[in-house]
Amino acid sequence: KQEVTQIPAALSVPEGENLVLNCSFTDSAIYNLQWFRQDPGKGLTSLLLIQSSQREQTSGRLNASLDKSSGRSTLYIAASQPGDSATYLCAVFRPSGYALNFGKGTSLLVTP
Amino acid sequence: NAGVTQTPKFRVLKTGQSMTLLCAQDMNHEYMYWYRQDPGMGLRLIHYSVGEGTTAKGEVPDGYNVSRLKKQNFLLGLESAAPSQTSVYFCASSYSLAGATEQFFGPGTRLTVL
Repeated sequence: KQEVTQIPAALSVPEGENLVLNCSFTDSAIYNLQWFRQDPGKGLTSLLLIQSSQREQTSGRLNASLDKSSGRSTLYIAASQPGDSATYLCAVFRPSGYALNFGKGTSLLVTP
Repeated sequence: NAGVTQTPKFRVLKTGQSMTLLCAQDMNHEYMYWYRQDPGMGLRLIHYSVGEGTTAKGEVPDGYNVSRLKKQNFLLGLESAAPSQTSVYFCASSYSLAGATEQFFGPGTRLTVL
């Protein structure tokens, strides 16, 4: 069974800092890895999708990397802003399954 | 495009009552999914569908039924609600499974069973 772990569970940083969120998974046989953002009481918004053959993806101030062999991904947020405050979820898609396996998320608070 | 929409947004049921949650997508996606999200548990797959007329069980299917009579709609039913089914339910869809393309999520339905 695929286990997805996200560290830290919660993080508080002052505005302007660069930060890294971590995601690890136990089965390296994945199709892809997806990072989501979830605001309180809201649905999930897809941030970045990394295919298993890719090493990283970038979108604006976000950069996600994937090291499939070691079962790790990181989400780098540059120059954090209060509007980045949300829960960030990591999920992997396995060939043997039919849906995403999610981590429990990192709750991020960016203070002005 | 509305993307993925869910009806209703909130619902309170008494134990033993039944209800149906509706998910609709306008992206012509083949694959649709129902997840539930519980504190400390993350999102878990209930049922999924790989096309119109087909459904399959996910990780936590007990107490739920689903139907996909039309490609754009995926219904989740609770025949006899239990307090353990208090949760936030999310529907998602994706274009294909092969290569596992991006999944798009609806806004969720918050269900409370008393």
